Amino acid sequence: NAGVTQTPKFRILKIGQSMTLQCAQDMNHNYMYWYRQDPGMGLKLIYYSVGAGITDKGEVPNGYNVSRSTTEDFPLRLELAAPSQTSVYFCASSYGRGFSYEQYFGPGTRLTVT
Amino acid sequence: DQQVKQNSPSLSVQEGRISILNCDYTNSMFDYFLWYKKYPAEGPTFLISISSIKDKNEDGRFTVFLNKSAKHLSLHIVPSQPGDSAVYFCAASLTGNQFYFGTGTSLTVIP
Repeated sequence: NAGVTQTPKFRILKIGQSMTLQCAQDMNHNYMYWYRQDPGMGLKLIYYSVGAGITDKGEVPNGYNVSRSTTEDFPLRLELAAPSQTSVYFCASSYGRGFSYEQYFGPGTRLTVT
Repeated sequence: DQQVKQNSPSLSVQEGRISILNCDYTNSMFDYFLWYKKYPAEGPTFLISISSIKDKNEDGRFTVFLNKSAKHLSLHIVPSQPGDSAVYFCAASLTGNQFYFGTGTSLTVIP
């Protein structure tokens, strides 16, 4: 099993550009999450999904969009990149409520917006 | 507003001694708590968890204690090993959907 994979590992964007961060998991997990981690800070939840076709906002959703068309994939879309979105982005997955709350994380995508 | 706080940014401990990492939270509705370990340039990895109906959970060298009245949890590592050197995050869950993370404590275990 590859676990949770994220692409790309690094990206530099110009202000106003758009991009999609890819996330995939092969553990048949129902729940998937997107977090961002700013320097010296904890992880902040951006969006999460409890299953294919179902998504909901987390703590810091502004400037982002998600979709979940399959169990395996959970892409995160940045439409108009801003310097405030410079961060490390982590995708995670878990079995979810009633099973285990333990989350498995991908290696992260380091994004710089200039 | 930070609902989960780790007030010690760093901690140094001698190899073989006990490491105690602390975490405070503000929301009494949190029902599950987890500890994660993170190495540089990697994603966090799960360490240990505890449900709000318990006050202690052990897994090998790691023990988590929960004091609901004080809204406080702690992670004990005994004995500490150099490989334990990493950043440790506590996290709290609200209904298993949303998770709130602390800012992390960087643990250094000195050989």
